[in-house]
Amino acid sequence: AQKVTQAQTEISVVEKEDVTLDCVYETRDTTYYLFWYKQPPSGELVFLIRRNSFDEQNEISGRYSWNFQKSTSSFNFTITASQVVDSAVYFCALRGTSGSRLTFGEGTQLTVNP
Amino acid sequence: EPEVTQTPSHQVTQMGQEVILRCVPISNHLYFYWYRQILGQKVEFLVSFYNNEISEKSEIFDDQFSVERPDGSNFTLKIRSTKLEDSAMYFCASQFAGGHTGELFFGEGSRLTVL
Repeated sequence: AQKVTQAQTEISVVEKEDVTLDCVYETRDTTYYLFWYKQPPSGELVFLIRRNSFDEQNEISGRYSWNFQKSTSSFNFTITASQVVDSAVYFCALRGTSGSRLTFGEGTQLTVNP
Repeated sequence: EPEVTQTPSHQVTQMGQEVILRCVPISNHLYFYWYRQILGQKVEFLVSFYNNEISEKSEIFDDQFSVERPDGSNFTLKIRSTKLEDSAMYFCASQFAGGHTGELFFGEGSRLTVL
């Protein structure tokens, strides 16, 4: 069975602060894919990133960066210099090779205050 | 930019009524999915569909649910006899490539409210 845990239910920061969203996963698959999605108040799911299990290189995209550590089964997401528009629910998700489904975490509600 | 479109954006129905949610996937995509999100909860997989048949379904996807691709563009989710607990946001998604590497593109969701 696959499981994704996002222990932080809610995070509140002040604009320009850096914030890290934690994601821990469980899977028996040796090859798998990890995702982050953003869900703004309007409700849609916006794809942010996909990583595969055999590429542990960290990635940076603008103010976003991702730290994948296979040894601790974690795939954390950091927003640098947060902005009010970053306020959303962020979901971490996992897809293994034993099926086609995405397994989502519970989500982290990020609120960035001006 | 191509996108997945869903209709209706919001539907209110009475318990026991049939509901059909419609999705138009991205035109060259081959794999289609339905997910649901009960208010305030996580997104849950319902079903995946490829080559005109269900390829995987979750325990949520019981006999009350069905999916269909009636023509070359639409992908529908039918709930035969809605229950209060079916109230949720339903997301359609499509994927071009098979397997596990492809990126899922989600629609904006259809909110279903069962009274």
